[in-house]
Amino acid sequence: AQSVSQHNHHVILSEAASLELGCNYSYGGTVNLFWYVQYPGQHLQLLLKYFSGDPLVKGIKGFEAEFIKSKFSFNLRKPSVQWSDTAEYFCALRRAQAGTALIFGKGTTLSVSS
Amino acid sequence: EAGVAQSPRYKIIEKRQSVAFWCNPISGHATLYWYQQILGQGPKLLIQFQNNGVVDDSQLPKDRFSAERLKGVDSTLKIQPAKLEDSAVYLCASSRLPGVNTEAFFGQGTRLTVV
Repeated sequence: AQSVSQHNHHVILSEAASLELGCNYSYGGTVNLFWYVQYPGQHLQLLLKYFSGDPLVKGIKGFEAEFIKSKFSFNLRKPSVQWSDTAEYFCALRRAQAGTALIFGKGTTLSVSS
Repeated sequence: EAGVAQSPRYKIIEKRQSVAFWCNPISGHATLYWYQQILGQGPKLLIQFQNNGVVDDSQLPKDRFSAERLKGVDSTLKIQPAKLEDSAVYLCASSRLPGVNTEAFFGQGTRLTVV
């Protein structure tokens, strides 16, 4: 069975600090990978996605993620966080075949202090 | 483009009562998902529809949960009878016809508290 592991449950940073949130997955086949963000009181929104091609993908709000196939990882990064980045972040995978649903990690809560 | 609509936003019921949630996906999206998100965990798939047919309901507790999507558009998820452990946020999501490069869009969810 496929699974997604997010290493950090709660990360606390000061504004302008760099961010890296870990995500590892378990699945031997081809995958699509996603990072979703949930701001307080809002719905899940897509930050970025990887389907194929360049393993370094850029998303909204200055976020990027790197797919490292050999490590089964898809870590999320941002060079300088802002207070408005305070949110919960979810890594998700989908088997790269038609019709399969997303499998989510447990999420990482990011708190940014100004 | 309107997003995924869900109602109600909040619901409090006593255990053993029944409850229903409604979802209207983005227009033209053939695939609809219901997820359960328990506090401190990531969303877990309950059921996936393709048009009005069920694609995956392997994690749906069928003794108490049921879902339908009669006309291939909006959907209803029902719990009867509810248990304390059903307290969670129920998320609806939709996506276009299945393909490799499609993403899912989520509604705001219904927060259920069972007391």
